[in-house]
Amino acid sequence: DIQMTQSPSSLSASVGDRVTITCRASQGISNSLAWYQQKPGKAPKLLLYVASRLESGVPSRFSGSGSGTDYTLTISSLQPEDFATYYCQQYYSTPYTFGQGTKLEIK
Amino acid sequence: EVQLVESGGGLVQPGGSLRLSCAASGFTVSSQYMSWARQAPGKGLEWVSVIDSGVSTYYADSVKGRFTISRHNSKNTLYLQMNSLRAEDTAMYYCGRGAGPIDYWGQGTLVTVSS
Repeated sequence: DIQMTQSPSSLSASVGDRVTITCRASQGISNSLAWYQQKPGKAPKLLLYVASRLESGVPSRFSGSGSGTDYTLTISSLQPEDFATYYCQQYYSTPYTFGQGTKLEIK
Repeated sequence: EVQLVESGGGLVQPGGSLRLSCAASGFTVSSQYMSWARQAPGKGLEWVSVIDSGVSTYYADSVKGRFTISRHNSKNTLYLQMNSLRAEDTAMYYCGRGAGPIDYWGQGTLVTVSS
């Protein structure tokens, strides 16, 4: 099974900050990576797929990059509504594992 | 508009069974990969199962042999039959359209396994 390791597990930042979250796969996943945002009590929301493709309706301040085993999610200028938990997921091979999550909190 | 509505969760004793349903609208489940994922209280997301647009199904090791994913095309509904439930199966269960990625998610249904 492919293990997905996110870092950091939690992050404190301020409105307007640029933040980066990293996801590392235990083997190459050929950009078969999605990023999700989840707010308390809500279902996850798809942000990006194929590592860097923005889902329709998602603000352009979200971007993704990476290749092979290492991927990043960047939020260019944090907005109040961005404080949430973020998950990566590989869909290169089953089981389609999620990272453990990164909780983004207000500083 | 795409919508997914889960139902069937509740309190069940260890060793018991439940069947979760996920009613879809705005698309046809038979033409899409469909997934189940879960989230234990205060924990992260865990992928559970996927069914492709044919008959192939895949499961997490933690549920293999106990859970069965299926769909009813005429009802446009996805199911998850859960048998031999354990305390560690306690979680919010989400259905989703797609497998990689999951582009639409239901609101979830809570399963609690406890005596």
